[in-house]
Amino acid sequence: ILNVEQSPQSLHVQEGDSTNFTCSFPSSNFYALHWYRWETAKSPEALFVMTLNGDEKKKGRISATLNTKEGYSYLYIKGSQPEDSATYLCASPRNSGNTPLVFGKGTRLSVIA
Amino acid sequence: DARVTQTPRHKVTEMGQEVTMRCQPILGHNTVFWYRQTMMQGLELLAYFRNRAPLDDSGMPKDRFSAEMPDATLATLKIQPSEPRDSAVYFCASGLSYTEAFFGQGTRLTVV
Repeated sequence: ILNVEQSPQSLHVQEGDSTNFTCSFPSSNFYALHWYRWETAKSPEALFVMTLNGDEKKKGRISATLNTKEGYSYLYIKGSQPEDSATYLCASPRNSGNTPLVFGKGTRLSVIA
Repeated sequence: DARVTQTPRHKVTEMGQEVTMRCQPILGHNTVFWYRQTMMQGLELLAYFRNRAPLDDSGMPKDRFSAEMPDATLATLKIQPSEPRDSAVYFCASGLSYTEAFFGQGTRLTVV
């Protein structure tokens, strides 16, 4: 059974602060790592899909890195804004590329103006 | 703007009643997933379909839950009888592969 762990569970930061959080996954049989952003009362939306060790993806002020050898990914937010407040989920395929995503429990970020 | 549509958005029902949740996947997507979000477990996979055929529903309590795709534009998740522990947000997602998931806005179910 694949275990995807995220930390911290929740995070409060001041507007303008930069922050980061972690997703851990088994390093064996790695296929891909997905990051989603989920705002309250909305649908989870895909941010990044990462497959290669050392991958770094960026979208505006949000970026993510991937280390498949040690089994972790970091999500960074530079200069947090109140609109960044959301739950950030990471997910990995259950067994291989032909199986659905298993999600972590998420990191709930609150950015205080 | 293509999106996954779920109905109803909110449902409050009494214990023992039947609940049916509906999902319209994005047109052309051949893979449909049902997930359940709870505080304790996070997003759990309940069942998924490929080309309308159920592939795995091992995440669902078999005695009370059932998932079907009567046609390519409709997926349903039914709970009968419902119990208070079924209270959660139920998400439908669709994609063109097993690892691509575009989510609907969810059905928030409260069983009292």
